[in-house]
Amino acid sequence: GAGVSQTPSNKVTEKGKYVELRCDPISGHTALYWYRQSLGQGPEFLIYFQGTGAADDSGLPNDRFFAVRPEGSVSTLKIQRTERGDSAVYLCASSRTSGNEQFFGPGTRLTVL
Amino acid sequence: SQQGEEDPQALSIQEGENATMNCSYKTSINNLQWYRQNSGRGLVHLILIRSNEREKHSGRLRVTLDTSKKSSSLLITASRAADTASYFCATDPTSGTYKYIFGTGTRLKVLA
Repeated sequence: GAGVSQTPSNKVTEKGKYVELRCDPISGHTALYWYRQSLGQGPEFLIYFQGTGAADDSGLPNDRFFAVRPEGSVSTLKIQRTERGDSAVYLCASSRTSGNEQFFGPGTRLTVL
Repeated sequence: SQQGEEDPQALSIQEGENATMNCSYKTSINNLQWYRQNSGRGLVHLILIRSNEREKHSGRLRVTLDTSKKSSSLLITASRAADTASYFCATDPTSGTYKYIFGTGTRLKVLA
């Protein structure tokens, strides 16, 4: 079956703009994770969903970041008033349930000019 | 804060040799996972080892877990050029949620 997909693959935006990043998890996977990865670093946890609810959003850096998963499948990460420091690769992963192996998407490379 | 740290940061070996990478973490965990990331973006899951397990094998991969020392190791035997990648450990602290904390990674280069 299809793996985790993320769109867009690349996003270039200007400082101060709003962006949305989309993640389509593997069908039937109830857990969905968002990470951010800067060059030379490991993925940094942002938020994870179990079903429709955010089970842990402690990794969101500030209130400019928000994520939703309204129907328990597709998720959108929303960033308001983007800053240059938000530039990174945003990774999404899903797993059958929480605590199992995660399947990662290819990521969205966000560049804030 | 960084939960896991891999050691060494970089490793260069000849094809056919074994590669060992270590991961240390700070708090009690439910499980620990190892991932590989080739240049590019996607991470590939390698092995999950639970806190009550001490060793797991998958093909040429062997993972050990020592919860008393809060450390894990990943051994790749008979390495191939295709094993060139960054390797990360991810831990799942027993904090009541399943947020995973990744280490800084080991960059492995296998020379043909």
